[in-house]
Amino acid sequence: GESVGLHLPTLSVQEGDNSIINCAYSNSASDYFIWYKQESGKGPQFIIDIRSNMDKRQGQRVTVLLNKTVKHLSLQIAATQPGDSAVYFCAENGGNAGGTSYGKLTFGQGTILTVHP
Amino acid sequence: NAGVTQTPKFQVLKTGQSMTLQCAQDMNHEYMSWYRQDPGMGLRLIHYSVGAGITDQGEVPNGYNVSRSTTEDFPLRLLSAAPSQTSVYFCASSWGHPNTGELFFGEGSRLTVL
Repeated sequence: GESVGLHLPTLSVQEGDNSIINCAYSNSASDYFIWYKQESGKGPQFIIDIRSNMDKRQGQRVTVLLNKTVKHLSLQIAATQPGDSAVYFCAENGGNAGGTSYGKLTFGQGTILTVHP
Repeated sequence: NAGVTQTPKFQVLKTGQSMTLQCAQDMNHEYMSWYRQDPGMGLRLIHYSVGAGITDQGEVPNGYNVSRSTTEDFPLRLLSAAPSQTSVYFCASSWGHPNTGELFFGEGSRLTVL
């Protein structure tokens, strides 16, 4: 079946730098994409989402970019802080046929972000 | 407001034993689900429910059973534990609106099957 994948499993940055985490998806029916952050020993937490009718969405220090042509999703974190160190997952909903997607997300493998002070 | 609560946080079982992982949410969410997380494989959907009395299978349902008798609770049962079920299990809930995937996750239950 189709799945979501990540280009880079690990990313190390210096505090204050900008971070970019990439994600490739292959399910062309997906119309909703989400980024989650998972800190060690905790459950994933929602960061930001984007619908397929958008190319870019900004939150607080985070921006998600969606390129439907090449089926690519990225998460940009501005001025990365040590507290941003975590595993980041992208997820896609596989489309919403009949309005029944209800959070049936397919998750990528995750990228480990390490921020050095 | 507790959110999504999972118990137990840690459990060790012997092969063949059965047990139930508990999940409760106090946000009146319609949708609840169970994921397992294994190294290098992300989160995989086991079972989900779109409301009380309604359950369905996810990507990896074999060896697991669920029920949804109330809106708040969604227990996951391991019928006969196997070492392959060693994993971290996450329960999640959401409003259940179409075209949205924002899930609220519990803290996880780490299960080891010997």
